[in-house]
Amino acid sequence: GQQVQQSPASLVLQEGENAELQCNFSTSLNSMQWFYQRPGGSLVSLFYNPSGTKHSGRLTSTTVIKERRSSLHISSSQTTDSGTYLCALENNQGKLIFGQGTKLSIKP
Amino acid sequence: EAAVTQSPRSKVAVTGGKVTLSCHQTNNHDYMYWYRQDTGHGLRLIHYSYVADSTEKGDIPDGYKASRPSQENFSLILELASLSQTAVYFCASSARPNSDYTFGSGTRLLVI
Repeated sequence: GQQVQQSPASLVLQEGENAELQCNFSTSLNSMQWFYQRPGGSLVSLFYNPSGTKHSGRLTSTTVIKERRSSLHISSSQTTDSGTYLCALENNQGKLIFGQGTKLSIKP
Repeated sequence: EAAVTQSPRSKVAVTGGKVTLSCHQTNNHDYMYWYRQDTGHGLRLIHYSYVADSTEKGDIPDGYKASRPSQENFSLILELASLSQTAVYFCASSARPNSDYTFGSGTRLLVI
């Protein structure tokens, strides 16, 4: 089975609403990373978060290892937040295992 | 400026032909990776390298070779391109496992 599951697969919100993206994993991890993939393809690293909570502007990442989950919270969403959000688990062999992604669309 | 640069940005290749995708990083990172992404899916690891002149197989290495002639450069080679290798290919670098990864902008490969 898939080791990293993201939910929801897609999410449509109105500008100003908050977004909550989930990542659940079934294998042990050394770290969890969140990436933003622009429409058109390039990936931007958002968070390197092995455990606990990290903040960056309107973004918050929380990783709870014993519950095998990580979340990405976007507050007061903007149309420019639209794109695909990918979580990736780094396993004990140092390999990144990606989830399928959440496609986020923010409507004006 | 981009710390991981891929070339070409896009390519159309003929089935059975040879394709070389190039990646150059200026991060001074030891680790480099090649991933492929298929439409609507996450990324899957093809090959990686942690030192020059050495490469390792990732999760889906069949049909691909890799070359790391220097710390800065990492190439992905498709000796006999097939239709199933149509995808977007991403190169990445990291200082070591358990650290931030930096990705290139991707190469869109269409095999016809």
